[in-house]
Amino acid sequence: DVKVTQSSRYLVKRTGEKVFLECVQDMDHENMFWYRQDPGLGLRLIYFSYDVKMKEKGDIPEGYSVSREKKERFSLILESASTNQTSMYLCASSLITLNTGELFFGEGSRLTVL
Amino acid sequence: GNSVTQMEGPVTLSEEAFLTINCTYTATGYPSLFWYVQYPGEGLQLLLKATKADDKGSNKGFEATYRKETTSFHLEKGSVQVSDSAVYFCALRGGNTPLVFGKGTRLSVIA
Repeated sequence: DVKVTQSSRYLVKRTGEKVFLECVQDMDHENMFWYRQDPGLGLRLIYFSYDVKMKEKGDIPEGYSVSREKKERFSLILESASTNQTSMYLCASSLITLNTGELFFGEGSRLTVL
Repeated sequence: GNSVTQMEGPVTLSEEAFLTINCTYTATGYPSLFWYVQYPGEGLQLLLKATKADDKGSNKGFEATYRKETTSFHLEKGSVQVSDSAVYFCALRGGNTPLVFGKGTRLSVIA
């Protein structure tokens, strides 16, 4: 079975802390994505990556950065967490041809920033 | 830019009722259209898709037809079950760009 694994299902952090959200896929997919999901706003794209060491800004990159040192791993970094970053974060991956449309999602990481 | 508008929820139906969740889109060119589903406690998974006008996507009893003339991709199911309770997302891809999602519609089916 294909699998996208997010390292933490639930995290609680304090304002100003540095937060790492890790995502690993075992499907040898080139593309990886980070979304945040908020009630009434749906899914919004934060960053994505086409290949190792490549990254592209999505719709809401402010306050976030990413790292893709290995093909299977895509990390989302909150340099200084703020309360408005409390959200559900979803990682996804897909094959290199973006038009396939099939993203494979992890189960999500629910982050609470106090 | 590309965008998707879907009906707001929550939608509450009795078991065996007919389901329609409306989705309309704005895009240049000829986008591909998708429905994703998120069951409680899980990530999203692809439910069905259509890549050109008049195509019908179908899966698990759900259907949606790509209507270019009305820029719509409404999700339908003839008889819903309690196990269909989930959040449904309409999504679009235009050209070589990442998916754009709608805001999601929560469906609750009661026995």
